[in-house]
Amino acid sequence: AQSVTQPDIHITVSEGASLELRCNYSYGATPYLFWYVQSPGQGLQLLLKYFSGDTLVQGIKGFEAEFKRSQSSFNLRKPSVHWSDAAEYFCAVAGRFNDYKLSFGAGTTVTVRA
Amino acid sequence: ETGVTQSPTHLIKTRGQQVTLRCSSQSGHNTVSWYQQALGQGPQFIFQYYREEENGRGNFPPRFSGLQFPNYSSELNVNALELDDSALYLCASSTRESGELFFGEGSRLTVL
Repeated sequence: AQSVTQPDIHITVSEGASLELRCNYSYGATPYLFWYVQSPGQGLQLLLKYFSGDTLVQGIKGFEAEFKRSQSSFNLRKPSVHWSDAAEYFCAVAGRFNDYKLSFGAGTTVTVRA
Repeated sequence: ETGVTQSPTHLIKTRGQQVTLRCSSQSGHNTVSWYQQALGQGPQFIFQYYREEENGRGNFPPRFSGLQFPNYSSELNVNALELDDSALYLCASSTRESGELFFGEGSRLTVL
């Protein structure tokens, strides 16, 4: 079975500061990995995904994530946050042969202070 | 390109009733997945439809059922509603090849 843990429920960061959100997954092999963002009252938007290849993945809105097999992690980073980055962020995992049926973590809420 | 649209956006039902939620998939997408997102939690996979056939189901009871139509739109039906069914129901469409799910804004169901 696949599962995702996001250890941080809530993070507060100052505008312009860097941001790192943690994600650890459990899966028997190398899975497909995703980060989604959800603004209040909105659906989920894909920030980036990792399938294979380069372990540093670039996404939209200036986000990047690094896949570390040895740590079973896929942490999301942004060098300088903007007030509009305040949202809930979800890490998700899918097995390579299950047609992208995603298992999501519980999410991390990001608050940006001026 | 039209995105994923869901209806209704909000609805209130009472325990024991039945509900139908609808989803129009993005143009060109033949796969639809449904997720339940309870307050403060991540989305949970309910089931997926590919070319009108169920293609996998999460840990949800049979009173959760679905359909996919020839135009790839979809319905989620929930019978005998329980209080714990109160949640945001998200529909996502995709192609089987791309691995990118496009989510609608969801239908928020409140069961009283």
